[in-house]
Amino acid sequence: DTEVTQTPKHLVMGMTNKKSLKCEQHMGHRAMYWYKQKAKKPPELMFVYSYEKLSINESVPSRFSPECPNSSLLNLHLHALQPEDSALYLCASSQAGIGTQYFGPGTRLTVL
Amino acid sequence: AQSVTQPDIHITVSEGASLELRCNYSYGATPYLFWYVQSPGQGLQLLLKYFSGDTLVQGIKGFEAEFKRSQSSFNLRKPSVHWSDAAEYFCAVGGGTYKYIFGTGTRLKVLA
Repeated sequence: DTEVTQTPKHLVMGMTNKKSLKCEQHMGHRAMYWYKQKAKKPPELMFVYSYEKLSINESVPSRFSPECPNSSLLNLHLHALQPEDSALYLCASSQAGIGTQYFGPGTRLTVL
Repeated sequence: AQSVTQPDIHITVSEGASLELRCNYSYGATPYLFWYVQSPGQGLQLLLKYFSGDTLVQGIKGFEAEFKRSQSSFNLRKPSVHWSDAAEYFCAVGGGTYKYIFGTGTRLKVLA
């Protein structure tokens, strides 16, 4: 099974709201990723967790706050977002840094 | 500099025709190569990957790709395209540092 699940599928939020995106995998992978994808563009890496520790932060604004509560779960906490943050947010996981990344279906985020 | 180039932004083929999507890369170390497909509003699905060994790689949905080190290419092929193949295709290169380098994508349109 190579499934990564993401909830919610769609999210609409105001600029003053606080919301969270959730990602889950049960493949025993020890690396998990958050990507942001704008329309007609490739995914852009935001964060990488390796063995539940933040390994890479691609200079993402602090209004995005990742969390890895355990090896199967990855959250992305959102606060005071801007309309330009509207995008498809993708989660992925891999066995390790070299491994193949498996992507979830994404959360379509709209910031009003 | 490390990069991935997908020269064709859009490709249109008739159903039943053959398909080749081009991918060229520039990478200092031994590359790990991937092709992903993305339907509108969906996540990325892995079609195939190359790490080492046989340079002709078979993937899902009848796709194959050939690694040519001398040409720094990893082109994706399918002998007979189906209407359901219409999607965005991304080539990616990884090298063991968690980060993928994605190409800009090729949008495939299939004519009935």
